[in-house]
Amino acid sequence: DTGVSQDPRHKITKRGQNVTFRCDPISEHNRLYWYRQTLGQGPEFLTYFQNEAQLEKSRLLSDRFSAERPKGSFSTLEIQRTEQGDSAMYLCASSLEDYTEAFFGQGTRLTVV
Amino acid sequence: RKEVEQDPGPFNVPEGATVAFNCTYSNSASQSFFWYRQDCRKEPKLLMSVYSSGNEDGRFTAQLNRASQYISLLIRDSKLSDSATYLCVVIPAGRRALTFGSGTRLQVQP
Repeated sequence: DTGVSQDPRHKITKRGQNVTFRCDPISEHNRLYWYRQTLGQGPEFLTYFQNEAQLEKSRLLSDRFSAERPKGSFSTLEIQRTEQGDSAMYLCASSLEDYTEAFFGQGTRLTVV
Repeated sequence: RKEVEQDPGPFNVPEGATVAFNCTYSNSASQSFFWYRQDCRKEPKLLMSVYSSGNEDGRFTAQLNRASQYISLLIRDSKLSDSATYLCVVIPAGRRALTFGSGTRLQVQP
């Protein structure tokens, strides 16, 4: 499968714990996006990378959230000191160029208890 | 005002019906537009890009009205398998991130 891959698919964590998610984009895509989606809402943009450079961040990305893409390939999204409000689906997407369609992974569903 | 607004629905239509969704966007200089489809608890998938001249893909027709800042999606001869949430997506000027509406839910009934 050469699509966008996310790991894990599901994560249950206790409030206050740190979690890290991984995204592997389509191999030739150098644009990578993270989104968060809650029930009944569309995906909300979190951050954007072009290669290893993080070029855009949403104000939704609080100090507890950090994303990296160290070698311009896979990316990680870390949430520190998780809160119940962090429970959501975290989606990763990649694209070949700016202003073109993006392709999504299956997401990581986070539940904070 | 939200950057991209959609009627959440649900739209309940019988098989074979024609249904249309509209979406409005706030940034008049936006330059890329798409419709995505999302099935329950699945990831969004690209349905079609929307071009200034309008475009058609089988039973689906998308149109863009820049003057009024809205995008439409028309589905003809609805199938049960068309039941999903349809997400309107815009890339606002000066940004690279795809900005999503909250989605319009379609339920096609036998």
